[in-house]
Amino acid sequence: GAVVSQHPSRVICKSGTSVKIECRSLDFQATTMFWYRQFPKKSLMLMATSNEGSKATYEQGVEKDKFLINHASLTLSTLTVTSAHPEDSSFYICSAKEFGRGNEQFFGPGTRLTVL
Amino acid sequence: QKEVEQDPGPLSVPEGAIVSLNCTYSNSAFQYFMWYRQYSRKGPELLMYTYSSGNKEDGRFTAQVDKSSKYISLFIRDSQPSDSATYLCAMSGNTGGFKTIFGAGTRLFVKA
Repeated sequence: GAVVSQHPSRVICKSGTSVKIECRSLDFQATTMFWYRQFPKKSLMLMATSNEGSKATYEQGVEKDKFLINHASLTLSTLTVTSAHPEDSSFYICSAKEFGRGNEQFFGPGTRLTVL
Repeated sequence: QKEVEQDPGPLSVPEGAIVSLNCTYSNSAFQYFMWYRQYSRKGPELLMYTYSSGNKEDGRFTAQVDKSSKYISLFIRDSQPSDSATYLCAMSGNTGGFKTIFGAGTRLFVKA
């Protein structure tokens, strides 16, 4: 149980294009999903908290117009990196909390974004 | 001072050794404590989840929480090369809307 998927697992795009990453909770309902960014050999950096049916809460320093988050249903959240640039290249990971369960977060496998 | 301190390592041990991983924290409001294992280029995997102080055991893994010292530990018995990964501690409480704070992660290498 508590499986989270991410799609795509890897994406390479040209500078200036937009990229959408999907995060799905496969076997549970997730009222809250989180988006993280991770640089090589570094810990997780929380970008934003996404609640179903409401606007995402962004961490300080994260541009909300750059990283668009939508949590349209209890099992799906999307992160769109708009007008991507090489400095946006990173490992993006989502996680989800199960409705009615404790504080555990269940992570997806991550998406590696490379912007050329 | 960071809310959660974790030695990034790397920590290298021989196969079969007992591994001790630790985190300290400063916020006494933390009540939920977690350990995650992350293999290279993969998402973190939840290993242990504990509430408040005490011990919890699951197979070769034991998690300890000492709230009086603001200190948590993860012990791995009979370590295997497959345990080689980065281990992240994480904690949350009743403050900040249950925001979870992660440690920097400790890189562990178990040598065959």
